Amino acid sequence: AQSVTQPDIHITVSEGASLELRCNYSYGATPYLFWYVQSPGQGLQLLLKYFSGDTLVQGIKGFEAEFKRSQSSFNLRKPSVHWSDAAEYFCAVGAGDDKIIFGKGTRLHILP
Amino acid sequence: GAGVSQSPSNKVTEKGKDVELRCDPISGHTALYWYRQSLGQGLEFLIYFQGNSAPDKSGLPSDRFSAERTGGSVSTLTIQRTQQEDSAVYLCASSYWTGGTGELFFGEGSRLTVL
Repeated sequence: AQSVTQPDIHITVSEGASLELRCNYSYGATPYLFWYVQSPGQGLQLLLKYFSGDTLVQGIKGFEAEFKRSQSSFNLRKPSVHWSDAAEYFCAVGAGDDKIIFGKGTRLHILP
Repeated sequence: GAGVSQSPSNKVTEKGKDVELRCDPISGHTALYWYRQSLGQGLEFLIYFQGNSAPDKSGLPSDRFSAERTGGSVSTLTIQRTQQEDSAVYLCASSYWTGGTGELFFGEGSRLTVL
């Protein structure tokens, strides 16, 4: 069975600074990997996904993530955060004939 | 409909009562998921439907929880004899793609409070 670990419960960065949110997964075969964002009072929205091919994937709102098979990681990055990026971020893993499970989330706080 | 619809949006009940939560997925989406979101617990997987069948019920916390899906569309999550620890937001999501391969579209959730 697959599992997802997001080691950081809270992260605080200054507006304009770079961001990296960590995600580690466990799955025996090639996983399908996702990042979702949940803004305050809003539903979950897909930021980006990785299925195969180029290990660096681009998403919406200027986010990108890199799949590193050797490290079982799929970290989310953004070069310069905006105050509107304050939200909770969830990493998720799925498989071809299996369910999608989520990590416990990382709450991002932005300092002005 | 245009999106995933869940009802009720809020439900307050007394301990020991039964509750039903409804999810109306996006038309044509074959996969349907239920998750539970509690503070600090992220999205806890409950059950997954492919069409009307549930290949994976492993996340249901106890036999008080059950779910069904009819006509490959609407799903109902039923919690019997509710307990205070059942208080959470119950999220439904649907997907056009089979299995765990595609984007999930989430509803706004049903917030359950058990007094």
